Amino acid sequence: NAGVMQNPRHLVRRRGQEARLRCSPMKGHSHVYWYRQLPEEGLKFMVYLQKENIIDESGMPKERFSAEFPKEGPSILRIQQVVRGDSAAYFCASSPNRGSGNTIYFGEGSWLTVV
Amino acid sequence: QKEVEQNSGPLSVPEGAIASLNCTYSDRGSQSFFWYRQYSGKSPELIMSIYSNGDKEDGRFTAQLNKASQYVSLLIRDSQPSDSATYLCAVNTGNQFYFGTGTSLTVIP
Repeated sequence: NAGVMQNPRHLVRRRGQEARLRCSPMKGHSHVYWYRQLPEEGLKFMVYLQKENIIDESGMPKERFSAEFPKEGPSILRIQQVVRGDSAAYFCASSPNRGSGNTIYFGEGSWLTVV
Repeated sequence: QKEVEQNSGPLSVPEGAIASLNCTYSDRGSQSFFWYRQYSGKSPELIMSIYSNGDKEDGRFTAQLNKASQYVSLLIRDSQPSDSATYLCAVNTGNQFYFGTGTSLTVIP
C-alpha cells in the first residue's frame, strides 16, 4: 500500500496521559501536514513538516502539542497531558514537495478519545 | 475573515439532478484549488484539482475557477445517492492548504 499510513486508527487515553500519533507519508513524498477535525467541524491546520524541519507550526496549540518528522521513521504528533477537548480525528496528509501546484493526500486518520 | 468559505448546507438534490457547490477564498495570491469528498467517519478524498480560470471536467464532476471573483465551484451531474457526503473546498496559499468547513450534500433516491 503506497498511501499515507497512520496509526493507531483509534486511541483511547485517560485525562493526563500522553497520546502519540504516527504518520508515514506516501512513497516519494517528503512533506507532511497534520490537521485536526473536531466533531461536526472543518479541518484545522496544525503543522507542516519536512524531514528534520518544521516549516509552519502556526496552527499548533502553544502548550502540550509537538510534532516531529525525523530523518528516519514516521512523523509523530505528540499530545501531552491530554484533556477531553483533545478528542478529535487527527489527519495526516503528504505531498511530494513544496509550493503551488502540489496536491496533498490524506491518510485514514487517527481518532483520539479522551476519557 | 476566513480564508475559505463554503455554505455548510445541508444541500439536498434528487437523484439524477445537478448538485452545485460553491466556495470563495480570500487570498488573491492563491494558485491551486481542490475539492475533496469526505464520508462520515472517513478521511478526505481528492476529487478534483484546478489551477487555471475556466472549467475542468472529470466524468460527472466539473470544477470551475474564477480568480477575478475568487470563486471556485463544483458541479456534480447525474447525482447519485453514493455522492451523499461532505464536500470540502481547499486552497493552497504559500505553505498551507486551507480548508472550508464543508458543504453537506444529500442525494435523495
